[in-house]
Parts: sequence; structure tokens; C-alpha cells
Amino acid sequence: DTGVSQDPRHKITKRGQNVTFRCDPISEHNRLYWYRQTLGQGPEFLTYFQNEAQLEKSRLLSDRFSAERPKGSFSTLEIQRTEQGDSAMYLCASSLPLETEAFFGQGTRLTVV
Amino acid sequence: GQQLNQSPQSMFIQEGEDVSMNCTSSSIFNTWLWYKQDPGEGPVLLIALYKAGELTSNGRLTAQFGITRKDSFLNISASIPSDVGIYFCAGGGSNYKLTFGKGTLLTVNP
Repeated sequence: DTGVSQDPRHKITKRGQNVTFRCDPISEHNRLYWYRQTLGQGPEFLTYFQNEAQLEKSRLLSDRFSAERPKGSFSTLEIQRTEQGDSAMYLCASSLPLETEAFFGQGTRLTVV
Repeated sequence: GQQLNQSPQSMFIQEGEDVSMNCTSSSIFNTWLWYKQDPGEGPVLLIALYKAGELTSNGRLTAQFGITRKDSFLNISASIPSDVGIYFCAGGGSNYKLTFGKGTLLTVNP
């Protein structure tokens, strides 16, 4: 396994469009996390899954954001009606059960124009 | 959202020098992690700390988990040009999600 994989690496979209990102975690990791990172800041927690269950969502995750992990493997993060303020790096991470050590993917850089 | 206080914000050093950076919080954490991030890439885990007072090394990197569980520091010895990047501390709680600092930008002059 080569680590956490995210697709696409870059996405440019017009304001108001919907976008979807995919994350494939490390295969034996049952926990999957989404973080958002803006310029000059550290990553900020958005949501996490244990297997297919979404266990926690940050207040940063407005109702335009939805995340799924239907079979407990890969996950998708969808942003509806994108706004310029959504421009950021979206990072996915995964970890083993009961482990805090999270391994990050390379991220998806979203630019809303 | 909550972020940790990480200092310094940036450092400009000569190759071969030692570097020290730290992170403080008003909250207690069960775990402290240190990551390095290169431009346009995701953070890469460097060191993980699990016990108050723990001192852990990974090559030229040494990190410590503060006794109060509210702080941690990272030292890099004999810096080299490839140490350039942004270093983030992250605190982990009982729910396994991480709270990050704003990062320390390290520049190494050859």
C-alpha cells in the first residue's frame, strides 16, 4: 500500500458549482478524517469516520458539505453551491483503530473563481 | 476553530545549526504529534509522543511531551537544506481528532 490517496490533486471551479473529492485510505485503517487547510494556517478538523459511520462533524462543516464512506473503504467529500471562501486545501487522513497517529494524503487544492 | 500556539512563526538559519520550536495549549492533550509539510503536499508525520515527560528521537529530530500535557517541543540538530518546510505540532484528544498549530516555517541557508 502506498499510503493515503486523494483525487483530484487540483480542482478549479466556478462559484455555485458542485464539486466532489475522493479519498482512499491506507487499507487496514478503519478511521478516516477530513481536514481543511487555508493559507498560513494549520489543518482544521472537518469530520471523521470509523468504518462507514460518520462519528463527528465540525461546526466548520456547513450544510453545503457532505461526506460519505459507504462501504468503510474510500470516502467522498462533496461541496454544493461552492463559494469563494471554500477555496482551500482539503486533506484526508487515516489511522488504525485506537491510534492517534494519522497519515495524510497529498490533498486536493480547490480554487473557486 | 481552536488552534495551538506554535512558535516561532518562522526561522531562517544556516546549514549545520540546531533548531528548536515549541507548541503550547490551554487544553490538555493525550498525544502530541509533529508533522512536516512541503509546499503543495500533505503533512508527513515525523514523531508521535504518548506520555507526559516522554522524550523521543527520530534521527536528528528530538521531541518532548511536556509534563503538564499542555506543551511540546521539537529540536532539529545539524540542519540540512532538505529540512526546509513548515513544521506543525498537533495535539490529540480522546476522540482521536487532531488540533494543529499554525506552523513554523523553517528556511535553511546552505
